[in-house]
Amino acid sequence: EADIYQTPRYLVIGTGKKITLECSQTMGHDKMYWYQQDPGMELHLIHYSYGVNSTEKGDLSSESTVSRIRTEHFPLTLESARPSHTSQYLCASSGRDTSYEQYFGPGTRLTVT
Amino acid sequence: GEDVEQSLFLSVREGDSSVINCTYTDSSSTYLYWYKQEPGAGLQLLTYIFSNMDMKQDQRLTVLLNKKDKHLSLRIADTQTGDSAIYFCAERGGGYQKVTFGTGTKLQVIP
Repeated sequence: EADIYQTPRYLVIGTGKKITLECSQTMGHDKMYWYQQDPGMELHLIHYSYGVNSTEKGDLSSESTVSRIRTEHFPLTLESARPSHTSQYLCASSGRDTSYEQYFGPGTRLTVT
Repeated sequence: GEDVEQSLFLSVREGDSSVINCTYTDSSSTYLYWYKQEPGAGLQLLTYIFSNMDMKQDQRLTVLLNKKDKHLSLRIADTQTGDSAIYFCAERGGGYQKVTFGTGTKLQVIP
């Protein structure tokens, strides 16, 4: 059972609001990731981190920002939410085991009205 | 960049075998994975195969890798209704820590 948590699970918010999606893992993993998942299923990597104070942008351009001040915590922030940000956001982490398996959180379904 | 393609949808009858296919472009792939996503949940690793292997079997799951054609498949024997989910193929390139996910295949199991 993976120990990676995301809050909130569901969020409906108005345009222009600032929001932070939380992601925490208790496995001591150094690598963490944020994916945006379309309604049509495809996953897009939007941010990743290989350790504390390390963050990189992913393959899909995103207006969101991330921070990694602590190993276990990788929050994602939208300064001004827009309807185009409506999506499912999945957080994942991976450790140093040879398979490099990614463990996923349950996701946050964000709706911006 | 790397590209991983899957068919979008597969429908099978309960008790039959399911075969989900995946093609990828990165010739330096080291690990290839199959993840399962149930409704309203994150992805969960089902199995993985190292690139120097041709086949891996794990209970009802069989993974076949054709490295020459860059083709990966997942066979689920005796498919059950609980196997209904979205299945993602993924690959990790050599010396590169990022994983590229496929487009996902939605498996529907008909009772």
